[in-house]
Amino acid sequence: AQKITQTQPGMFVQEKEAVTLDCTYDTSDQSYGLFWYKQPSSGEMIFLIYQGSYDEQNATEGRYSLNFQKARKSANLVISASQLGDSAMYFCAMREARSTLGRLYFGRGTQLTVWP
Amino acid sequence: DADVTQTPRNRITKTGKRIMLECSQTKGHDRMYWYRQDPGLGLRLIYYSFDVKDINKGEISDGYSVSRQAQAKFSLSLESAIPNQTALYFCATSDVAGGQKTQYFGPGTRLLVL
Repeated sequence: AQKITQTQPGMFVQEKEAVTLDCTYDTSDQSYGLFWYKQPSSGEMIFLIYQGSYDEQNATEGRYSLNFQKARKSANLVISASQLGDSAMYFCAMREARSTLGRLYFGRGTQLTVWP
Repeated sequence: DADVTQTPRNRITKTGKRIMLECSQTKGHDRMYWYRQDPGLGLRLIYYSFDVKDINKGEISDGYSVSRQAQAKFSLSLESAIPNQTALYFCATSDVAGGQKTQYFGPGTRLLVL
């Protein structure tokens, strides 16, 4: 079974609007971390935001926020006031605490296109 | 200077050739990883290493081998490249399993196998 599911292969949003990118996860661990990465067309992986499973408040980083719903096992990324430069592939990822490897499990990604 | 570097950044090779992708880091991290990215599949783990004496297979290790020459260096080899190994390859490092920002990625190597 997929540990990370991103059901939106592509999303479109108009500049200055908000957009939500969906992510659900599957784990039996009580302790885990959730990450979002941005990958522009140049290919590098850019870390955006992190949410720990024990964090009571949703994480925020500037225009990025993570809508964490633990009971539903969802960790959606919300980008407010979209900009043209937000056009990129976005990956949700998870690290399980029981894995001492620190490895990440990735979803298949959502391609976001911001139009003027 | 970048904390995690990969060489080469782009490589074209022919089926059957042996090639090596190199990764170096200046972060002093013990854990290093090789991931492969294919369109529509996200990143998948090839190999990972805790230290120079520890090498572990990931989900898709067939056709690949690795070498941890030093704490700072982790190389990925394709012994006999085949076209379906055409992909974007990432090296990553990590300090400890807990906490945020635990994975630092290199810029990636685009590999084309003809």
